[in-house]
Amino acid sequence: SQTIHQWPATLVQPVGSPLSLECTVEGTSNPNLYWYRQAAGRGLQLLFYSVGIGQISSEVPQNLSASRPQDRQFILSSKKLLLSDSGFYLCAWSVSRVGGPGNTIYFGEGSWLTVV
Amino acid sequence: GESVGLHLPTLSVQEGDNSIINCAYSNSASDYFIWYKQESGKGPQFIIDIRSNMDKRQGQRVTVLLNKTVKHLSLQIAATQPGDSAVYFCAEITNSGYALNFGKGTSLLVTP
Repeated sequence: SQTIHQWPATLVQPVGSPLSLECTVEGTSNPNLYWYRQAAGRGLQLLFYSVGIGQISSEVPQNLSASRPQDRQFILSSKKLLLSDSGFYLCAWSVSRVGGPGNTIYFGEGSWLTVV
Repeated sequence: GESVGLHLPTLSVQEGDNSIINCAYSNSASDYFIWYKQESGKGPQFIIDIRSNMDKRQGQRVTVLLNKTVKHLSLQIAATQPGDSAVYFCAEITNSGYALNFGKGTSLLVTP
């Protein structure tokens, strides 16, 4: 079966410090990978998605970047964190183009980021 | 721009009653919809999905109804249990077809 792992689960970072969140998927190959952010009491905002190694699509302009150095690895980064970057970050995966038979998006357990 | 939204931000029901959570979408080209359940501090969990060529789909204790005429989606939970307490999100495919747009969510509280 497929599993998704992301870490760290929680972190507190000072303003201006760098960020690196890592996500890996097991049990599948060539997945689509996603980073979502959820601010407190709000819905999920799509940040980035990737359909293959080195292929990154950004949905919103922001202080963050994403990279996919390996097939099942997705990294969310920032060079200098802002207070507004605080939130719950979720990595997710899907087999291929969403909406195909039985093909949906599955989420990891999330990473809580507090920028102070 | 296109968006997905929910009619009610919170819903309180008694244990054993049926729950109905509603969602409106504005992208008439959307052809795939999903309901997720998110418990506090955890990632969203897939509940049920439906394609636009269907009006209704049933799962275990859950039913999703799709009304394309008025662009409305609903999730029905039968015999609601305390474990159903969570935030429920509806989502639709983005214009790119590769990801999902999520509504803001409805908080369901099940009281004994």
